[in-house]
Amino acid sequence: GAGVSQSPSNKVTEKGKDVELRCDPISGHTALYWYRQRLGQGLEFLIYFQGNSAPDKSGLPSDRFSAERTGESVSTLTIQRTQQEDSAVYLCASSLVAAGSGANVLTFGAGSRLTVL
Amino acid sequence: GNSVTQMEGPVTLSEEAFLTINCTYTATGYPSLFWYVQYPGEGLQLLLKATKADDKGSNKGFEATYRKETTSFHLEKGSVQVSDSAVYFCALSAVNFNKFYFGSGTKLNVKP
Repeated sequence: GAGVSQSPSNKVTEKGKDVELRCDPISGHTALYWYRQRLGQGLEFLIYFQGNSAPDKSGLPSDRFSAERTGESVSTLTIQRTQQEDSAVYLCASSLVAAGSGANVLTFGAGSRLTVL
Repeated sequence: GNSVTQMEGPVTLSEEAFLTINCTYTATGYPSLFWYVQYPGEGLQLLLKATKADDKGSNKGFEATYRKETTSFHLEKGSVQVSDSAVYFCALSAVNFNKFYFGSGTKLNVKP
């Protein structure tokens, strides 16, 4: 697609429910990132996918968080048994080249705003 | 470790005023440095970047110079417009690492 697409744009859920957030990266982008942005705070790295390599999951805050990506296409971020502290905007970004390259530029989606009541 | 610190906002300026948003970093090795901008209701987008010391990134009248000696990458614009109102994020990407590290963002409000 023309840009990174995320859905849903807004999600309100009750504490304890599971939620699934979706990211459609730009076609051909091999790298995909998930970040979390709490209100008034910076971007917190969650997970990174690069092609068919094992993902870097070092930023996932707990085992309630998981993410999948099939090949170089859609990724889903799943949060199980949601807690109020999970309320945030979840941002997805994709990139044409591998991280660590000076030419690497992230293209972000508009984000999924999650509110846990 | 790697981290980015940027000045807190919000910053409120009148149109045509001079803008500086401070950004300093801590990094292992020699990172690439970026400024991203988030306009209201939109996703973050790259504003400018610099990949080595003394490089100057520029775009849309904004400039930032990669200063290794002061570990800084301050964003400047000589004359801001109302349309520049947005949140600005400083970021680094350390060589051979997967992660981009972002500052907390600085909200800029430009009044006519």
